[in-house]
Amino acid sequence: DQQVKQNSPSLSVQEGRISILNCDYTNSMFDYFLWYKKYPAEGPTFLISISSIKDKNEDGRFTVFLNKSAKHLSLHIVPSQPGDSAVYFCAASGSGGGADGLTFGKGTHLIIQP
Amino acid sequence: DGGITQSPKYLFRKEGQNVTLSCEQNLNHDAMYWYRQDPGQGLRLIYYSQIVNDFQKGDIAEGYSVSREKKESFPLTVTSAQKNPTAFYLCASTSIFTGGLTEAFFGQGTRLTVV
Repeated sequence: DQQVKQNSPSLSVQEGRISILNCDYTNSMFDYFLWYKKYPAEGPTFLISISSIKDKNEDGRFTVFLNKSAKHLSLHIVPSQPGDSAVYFCAASGSGGGADGLTFGKGTHLIIQP
Repeated sequence: DGGITQSPKYLFRKEGQNVTLSCEQNLNHDAMYWYRQDPGQGLRLIYYSQIVNDFQKGDIAEGYSVSREKKESFPLTVTSAQKNPTAFYLCASTSIFTGGLTEAFFGQGTRLTVV
């Protein structure tokens, strides 16, 4: 059973607009969430994270929102740029601080159109 | 520059052969991980190690083996028992003794193809 779900395999957004990527989780023990960006044939790179004690974390153009009651988080990218085109993975870790590994969603392929 | 190095980038293996993927980090990280990515799938955890000479199975450990003889190195062996070894393999590391989780850093991956 998938514990981290990204229900949109792909998303197309016009350059300059807002990109919103969604992620749902089922395991209530998850308390730390991360977003990674990945280009083909490369390793993922860390973007932004949020602890369960917060509901928002912002870093430049990237903001992550967490709704614990709904077990839902989202990544907002504003404004979207062509270099943002990539696959975005949502990941979560449990009370062990993630030392025992991360649980990943299947990813959302973001396409920024000029 | 600090980072994680995986080698080789591309690897071909004949059916029935074992093959070892290399992962080295100079970030002084305590924990190291191996993930596997298949097309249209997320990353799935194979094995992880939080300390030298100790490691634990992840979600899909069958057909794989690892060792952690040095803090910097965490090689993964794909054995002939692994039924579907063709995949993209990613190594990661993180520091876990800093009072909280820091994000995991990933290598560039190894594409393994069974021919």
